[in-house]
Amino acid sequence: EVQLVESGGGLIQPGGSVRLSCAASGFAVGSNQMFWVRQAPGKGPEWVAVIYSSGSTFYADSVKGRFTVSRDKSKNTLYLQMNSLRVEDTAVYYCEGWDVSVALDVWGQGTTVSVSS
Amino acid sequence: QSALTQPPSASGSPGHSVTISCTGTSSDVGAYNYVSWYQHHPGKAPILLIYEVNKRPSGVPDRFSGSKSINTASLTVSGLQAEDEADYYCLSYAGNNNLVFGGGTKLTVL
Repeated sequence: EVQLVESGGGLIQPGGSVRLSCAASGFAVGSNQMFWVRQAPGKGPEWVAVIYSSGSTFYADSVKGRFTVSRDKSKNTLYLQMNSLRVEDTAVYYCEGWDVSVALDVWGQGTTVSVSS
Repeated sequence: QSALTQPPSASGSPGHSVTISCTGTSSDVGAYNYVSWYQHHPGKAPILLIYEVNKRPSGVPDRFSGSKSINTASLTVSGLQAEDEADYYCLSYAGNNNLVFGGGTKLTVL
């Protein structure tokens, strides 16, 4: 079964850091486009970051310089390192995988990050 | 990058059709044929319904269809069913490796 499972969310103080993980099964993190998308309470989703199969990474302006997306092919896991967190980073964070060759799109169930003092 | 504009809500009766719009600009929706639509039941993982404006992934019923005209993309749900009641989001490539979502439309099946 193709599955993505996020973990690592929680309550973090402003200015703090956290690393989210997205463990994949039945889907190769290293061979496909992998995204992080977040949805703040009561708002529409927001694209956060992407890592392409080539390893190139790109970020939304709102997180550029603070967040880093990476992957570990041996563990088939995607990561999002989040530093200098702000209250406005509070959201459910989803990982998404896109296999262009077969038009397969996979999402995790999300992990909640709450930034508050 | 501003979010794409979607109507906050839409509704239709079972068996009928409903169309949800997604309005962007000449820098995103109007510039690229990379518009996707997602269905999201709260608490569950989103599901891709349409990609590249009008293509359906395997397993998505042909009741779901997509189109685009100038700067506005549309999702049409035909033969409405109770399980279609969900939130729907559009997504467009916006150039320079940026992606932009719509604000979402809550579809109610009457």
